[in-house]
Amino acid sequence: DAGVIQSPRHEVTEMGQEVTLRCKPISGHNSLFWYRQTMMRGLELLIYFNNNVPIDDSGMPEDRFSAKMPNASFSTLKIQPSEPRDSAVYFCASGRDNYEQYFGPGTRLTVT
Amino acid sequence: KQEVTQIPAALSVPEGENLVLNCSFTDSAIYNLQWFRQDPGKGLTSLLLIQSSQREQTSGRLNASLDKSSGRSTLYIAASQPGDSATYLCAVTGGSYIPTFGRGTSLIVHP
Repeated sequence: DAGVIQSPRHEVTEMGQEVTLRCKPISGHNSLFWYRQTMMRGLELLIYFNNNVPIDDSGMPEDRFSAKMPNASFSTLKIQPSEPRDSAVYFCASGRDNYEQYFGPGTRLTVT
Repeated sequence: KQEVTQIPAALSVPEGENLVLNCSFTDSAIYNLQWFRQDPGKGLTSLLLIQSSQREQTSGRLNASLDKSSGRSTLYIAASQPGDSATYLCAVTGGSYIPTFGRGTSLIVHP
């Protein structure tokens, strides 16, 4: 199994630009999580999908952030417009119901 | 709201020592607890998962215990090695299946 795949691995963009992060979960997993990690705040859960349906998006910081899961093998996290304070490492993780979570390698986002 | 605390925040030990990392949580109504390892610049790697009905899990030199009533879990690392140097995080999942992470313990094992 290839594990959770995230792209791009690094993204540098200018303030105001749209950013799209992508995630391919492990085949057969039905839970998907998007996290953000910073030194200041640690690891924060942004949104949780189960069976492609958003279950909890209370961690999404504001309306500039949106996430979709159109099918069981793909999810996106979009930031529009991006701001410097969005700079962080964004992780996607997948699992089967409430069992172990498996993390992707992350996307390091820098907004200048 | 679940709160997860990990103590100590940082730890530096000589190679060969046995050590204990602590994780405490405020709401004992959990579904499972998972320990992760994170190397610098990398993602999180799952080490051990303990279901709420279990008391401990073991994998190689690692042993994790869970005491729901006291809201505590420990990760025991036997005979530490320099390759164990990393940040160790615990995550507690409640009945809503929403995981809450601690801030982690940064471990350095020096030769």
